[in-house]
Amino acid sequence: DQQVKQNSPSLSVQEGRISILNCDYTNSMFDYFLWYKKYPAEGPTFLISISSIKDKNEDGRFTVFLNKSAKHLSLHIVPSQPGDSAVYFCAASGNDYKLSFGAGTTVTVRA
Amino acid sequence: KAGVTQTPRYLIKTRGQQVTLSCSPISGHRSVSWYQQTPGQGLQFLFEYFSETQRNKGNFPGRFSGRQFSNSRSEMNVSTLELGDSALYLCASKSLFSAYEQYFGPGTRLTVT
Repeated sequence: DQQVKQNSPSLSVQEGRISILNCDYTNSMFDYFLWYKKYPAEGPTFLISISSIKDKNEDGRFTVFLNKSAKHLSLHIVPSQPGDSAVYFCAASGNDYKLSFGAGTTVTVRA
Repeated sequence: KAGVTQTPRYLIKTRGQQVTLSCSPISGHRSVSWYQQTPGQGLQFLFEYFSETQRNKGNFPGRFSGRQFSNSRSEMNVSTLELGDSALYLCASKSLFSAYEQYFGPGTRLTVT
């Protein structure tokens, strides 16, 4: 049973514009959320995270928003750059510290 | 500091065979987790080892097993391989100071024919 869902398998965006990636979760016990980025032939790398006590976290061009009541989070990338083309995974964890991952969204940034 | 390393990077096996994958975590990391990545399924958690003990386990059949050695290196074994076991197997390590952030290796691409 997929507890973390990324319903958009792909996203194409113009360079310089905003990329918005969405993620929904079903387990109300999740209290920590992360985004990972993955290039082909490499393992995922940590991008940004947010605790359930916050509703927004920013790190440079990356901002994650959390809406606990809707069990929804999103990742905003502004401005999008060609190097941002990758697969992005949303992950969530509860007090067992196990990470549950979504299926991923492939982002393509067009020049 | 060297990252997480996994060997081999690519492997082709036949149905019914068994396979062992290896993972060396970042120096000083004592937690090692294994994930299976298949198209459309994301990363599915297999198990986590900490100080040679399995601490968490995902919903995989008993054909999937693992172990961790005293130097924190970990191995994952899959017995009686099935076609559906074809996937990218990722290993991740975590430090004592991070409850959630994991550092991933490049993965082992297993193809079962």
